[in-house]
Amino acid sequence: EAGVTQFPSHSVIEKGQTVTLRCDPISGHDNLYWYRRVMGKEIKFLLHFVKESKQDESGMPNNRFLAERTGGTYSTLKVQPAELEDSGVYFCASSTTGGGYGYTFGSGTRLTVV
Amino acid sequence: GDSVTQMEGPVTLSEEAFLTINCTYTATGYPSLFWYVQYPGEGLQLLLKATKADDKGSNKGFEATYRKETTSFHLEKGSVQVSDSAVYFCALRGGGSYIPTFGRGTSLIVHP
Repeated sequence: EAGVTQFPSHSVIEKGQTVTLRCDPISGHDNLYWYRRVMGKEIKFLLHFVKESKQDESGMPNNRFLAERTGGTYSTLKVQPAELEDSGVYFCASSTTGGGYGYTFGSGTRLTVV
Repeated sequence: GDSVTQMEGPVTLSEEAFLTINCTYTATGYPSLFWYVQYPGEGLQLLLKATKADDKGSNKGFEATYRKETTSFHLEKGSVQVSDSAVYFCALRGGGSYIPTFGRGTSLIVHP
């Protein structure tokens, strides 16, 4: 089966621009999660979708970040306007249940804001 | 809140050396503990897990024992290979939460 796919794999944008990251989960996985790792720091939870609904968005840093999952399939994470501190690696994961054992992670999108 | 502390990296070893990556945690209750690995260009993969005190998780020659008395879950391997070069993340999932808490990650570099 295909894994979790994220694109782009890398993105370099200027401060103030907009960037949209995409995640395609494994087919049939209702749960989709976004995480972020700032260079050298912990992987931090951003939010969790169950199908198209936001189950938990407590980790979203501020209102410059907007996540959507229309139709309960792929998800997008938009950063508008981007700031320097948004640089990092954004991971997506999906699972069939809400539990922690069955996560499958994508390879991440490395975002650099200059 | 819950937290995970890992040793700073990078850890640089020669092939066949013994590996230890330290991990300690702070959590309420009795969390499940995990090690994830990220190979270059790939996503995080679950390496091993332990769900209760004194459990030993093992996979691909790696082992870690859930030590409640020292709140630790150190990762060990007796003889590393070049192919083990990756970033290793310790994580926990507390009771009642489905969201894992990750450590900062430790980069392992193994030289031939």
